[in-house]
Amino acid sequence: EPEVTQTPSHQVTQMGQEVILRCVPISNHLYFYWYRQILGQKVEFLVSFYNNEISEKSEIFDDQFSVERPDGSNFTLKIRSTKLEDSAMYFCASSEGQGVVEQYFGPGTRLTVT
Amino acid sequence: QKEVEQNSGPLSVPEGAIASLNCTYSDRGSQSFFWYRQYSGKSPELIMSIYSNGDKEDGRFTAQLNKASQYVSLLIRDSQPSDSATYLCAVTGGSYIPTFGRGTSLIVHP
Repeated sequence: EPEVTQTPSHQVTQMGQEVILRCVPISNHLYFYWYRQILGQKVEFLVSFYNNEISEKSEIFDDQFSVERPDGSNFTLKIRSTKLEDSAMYFCASSEGQGVVEQYFGPGTRLTVT
Repeated sequence: QKEVEQNSGPLSVPEGAIASLNCTYSDRGSQSFFWYRQYSGKSPELIMSIYSNGDKEDGRFTAQLNKASQYVSLLIRDSQPSDSATYLCAVTGGSYIPTFGRGTSLIVHP
């Protein structure tokens, strides 16, 4: 069964450093998403991406964040200058396309900022 | 602001019983409703989606939607210890971006 994959599973970085989180969405899916979940908190939407551009973003997704689809399979989230409060699980998700709203999540990357 | 409310629990049920999980939402224009299961330290796993009023059954799971009351529920029949997890309710409106509730922790004890 196709699945979303994410790397790395755990990333430790120092405050102020840049991190790139990587995702490979399900191959026939057209919509891609990033979410985060701070320990013990809700799953929060960051950004959605379709047709090589951002379609929606939340207030959390400020100038420190960017997304890219550098090739036909990878989808990345970059945090330019990490802060302690960026420590969270980051989930990538994908869905088939317009009108099909079920989203399938990857296993997540645990980001720890020290 | 769109809100999705769930009782955090824990909801404790004996093995073999029916577990009933509830969710209310604030946006009357909400269109799509989802239940995700999340084991500790893992990602959300989609288990049910429902779009119209009434019941939808899939194996041991039944989702119930009442748009007039802005209420969606998940019933798990013949609960098993492996069902012990946090169950997240997610709701979408005009966009395809879901708003998640905090989740209800379910414990199924042998």
